[in-house]
Amino acid sequence: AQKITQTQPGMFVQEKEAVTLDCTYDTSDPSYGLFWYKQPSSGEMIFLIYQGSYDQQNATEGRYSLNFQKARKSANLVISASQLGDSAMYFCAMRGHSGGSNYKLTFGKGTLLTVNP
Amino acid sequence: SAVISQKPSRDICQRGTSLTIQCQVDSQVTMMFWYRQQPGQSLTLIATANQGSEATYESGFVIDKFPISRPNLTFSTLTVSNMSPEDSSIYLCSVENGNDYEQYFGPGTRLTVT
Repeated sequence: AQKITQTQPGMFVQEKEAVTLDCTYDTSDPSYGLFWYKQPSSGEMIFLIYQGSYDQQNATEGRYSLNFQKARKSANLVISASQLGDSAMYFCAMRGHSGGSNYKLTFGKGTLLTVNP
Repeated sequence: SAVISQKPSRDICQRGTSLTIQCQVDSQVTMMFWYRQQPGQSLTLIATANQGSEATYESGFVIDKFPISRPNLTFSTLTVSNMSPEDSSIYLCSVENGNDYEQYFGPGTRLTVT
């Protein structure tokens, strides 16, 4: 079974500052992937970043980076230089690569980020 | 990344009726997924739709309530049958990029049942 835990229901950050959104996970799968999605109030799910469990380096995509600490089973999202448009719900998710029931994408409960001007 | 469209984007339906949601992808994909997001909640997988075979439903979801079609590698439909107010949710289709495990979502269908 897979489990994603996001312990921050809400976070506030000042515009132009960096913010870290926490995510911890649990899985029995030796190979897996970790995802972060952004969901603005419109409801669409926007893919932000992906980290494979065997990737040697932390994933980065523009202002987004994933702080992957395998031993701690954490996959925190770091957003640098926050913008007002970053205000949204953020979901951490994972999927096992070995097939079976772990192959489906499992989501955390989400963190609502508010960027203040 | 795959470009995914959904129709309708939103709808308001009467209790007891059915709504069919369409999902179109701009490239051929093996696996398509349907998710439900109830108000204020996270996403829950309804079923996995593979072309040429019956959809695989998750615990708590049944084919009579959520029939799915997958006639080809770029298209799928989800029907929400005999709707009740509890079915009011955002329904999202999703596809996997088979090359690198990334998974993308359509814009969603916001359903309200009155």
